Amino acid sequence: DAMVIQNPRYQVTQFGKPVTLSCSQTLNHNVMYWYQQKSSQAPKLLFHYYDKDFNNEADTPDNFQSRRPNTSFCFLDIRSPGLGDAAMYLCATSRDSRPQEYEQYFGPGTRLTVT
Amino acid sequence: DQQVKQNSPSLSVQEGRISILNCDYTNSMFDYFLWYKKYPAEGPTFLISISSIKDKNEDGRFTVFLNKSAKHLSLHIVPSQPGDSAVYFCAASAEQGNQFYFGTGTSLTVIP
Repeated sequence: DAMVIQNPRYQVTQFGKPVTLSCSQTLNHNVMYWYQQKSSQAPKLLFHYYDKDFNNEADTPDNFQSRRPNTSFCFLDIRSPGLGDAAMYLCATSRDSRPQEYEQYFGPGTRLTVT
Repeated sequence: DQQVKQNSPSLSVQEGRISILNCDYTNSMFDYFLWYKKYPAEGPTFLISISSIKDKNEDGRFTVFLNKSAKHLSLHIVPSQPGDSAVYFCAASAEQGNQFYFGTGTSLTVIP
């Protein structure tokens, strides 16, 4: 039933230790998004893939990278997590990239804790 | 700079009464708006949308109102039910844009 799956749901990492969050989808959608949501803040788009084309938001730190090896999977890599990177990370998909025409489907999120 | 604002972090309403959730935006280029609903441990799910060519859109118990001159939209839920208890996010996009800008969310509690 699950359409957008995120693993793990909770991730604890140490300051400076690289961490990878995973997202998979069963919808065969072209676009996959990664959002960061810090406590009491709005979800903020980090980047998205349209198929294999990577689109980085201008203010996304270089510490954040992403990979999309195939249509179904997308990974978020945080190279050197800082305490300020503790947040909920939401993955979403859509059939196409025009937000006014194509609904985004969200996964349940991965809550990252940095110790 | 927060372009979409939900100034009420939480709202409590009695079952059967009306719930009104508010959202303000600052970017006059926004012309499409939607509301997402989020239950604990789940991702946000689409609830209802409105284009700037309309001032009202209704779907069952949910109605979204748009006041372009005030850059304000609201979500009305009538009658409110306990199952409506969730966090509601307002989001906006511009015609030429490729992303939604989200508000911080309002946590609605419907008291039985």
